[in-house]
Amino acid sequence: SQKIEQNSEALNIQEGKTATLTCNYTNYSPAYLQWYRQDPGRGPVFLLLIRENEKEKRKERLKVTFDTTLKQSLFHITASQPADSATYLCALPNGSGNTGKLIFGQGTTLQVKP
Amino acid sequence: EAQVTQNPRYLITVTGKKLTVTCSQNMNHEYMSWYRQDPGLGLRQIYYSMNVEVTDKGDVPEGYKVSRKEKRNFPLILESPSPNQTSLYFCASSSPSGNTDTQYFGPGTRLTVL
Repeated sequence: SQKIEQNSEALNIQEGKTATLTCNYTNYSPAYLQWYRQDPGRGPVFLLLIRENEKEKRKERLKVTFDTTLKQSLFHITASQPADSATYLCALPNGSGNTGKLIFGQGTTLQVKP
Repeated sequence: EAQVTQNPRYLITVTGKKLTVTCSQNMNHEYMSWYRQDPGLGLRQIYYSMNVEVTDKGDVPEGYKVSRKEKRNFPLILESPSPNQTSLYFCASSSPSGNTDTQYFGPGTRLTVL
């Protein structure tokens, strides 16, 4: 079955720097991959989706890449701010088709220091 | 405002006392899911529903029941809660349009079973 690996260690960076988070999957390449942000005690919030035929997707200071050869997605936050501090989850479909079934990585916690 | 609501937000109960956590969405989404989130284990899907009267097990369904009698509501039932069901629970909804499974999460229900 599909497994997702995200760095469980927290990522600490200085304000203004670029944060890069990694999501690796182990099995078949999914039709798309999603990134969510989760603040403590709150529900995840959708940020970005990238499809298997897309190499890169951008939204304001966020950039996501998708390398199906490496089975990896990278999530970048440029010019990071303390308000970007949160846990970031990647998710991909659990199986084929649009069934409403997603599997999530454990998330990487980002701490941006002023 | 488009949203997913859950009630209660916090619940402390005792082993064996049946409880129901309600979930409602106002986005007319076909798909709804329940997840539990535990430290070190991430978000895991309990049950999901693709439409009214259509439900299926997720990855960790043992000890839980669901029903989908109306499109907007998807209650989670614990017939005989046990301490290992102490967790943070999230309800989510999504639409099959666009083939993206983008999940809209509720605010979460923190359940403690003594």
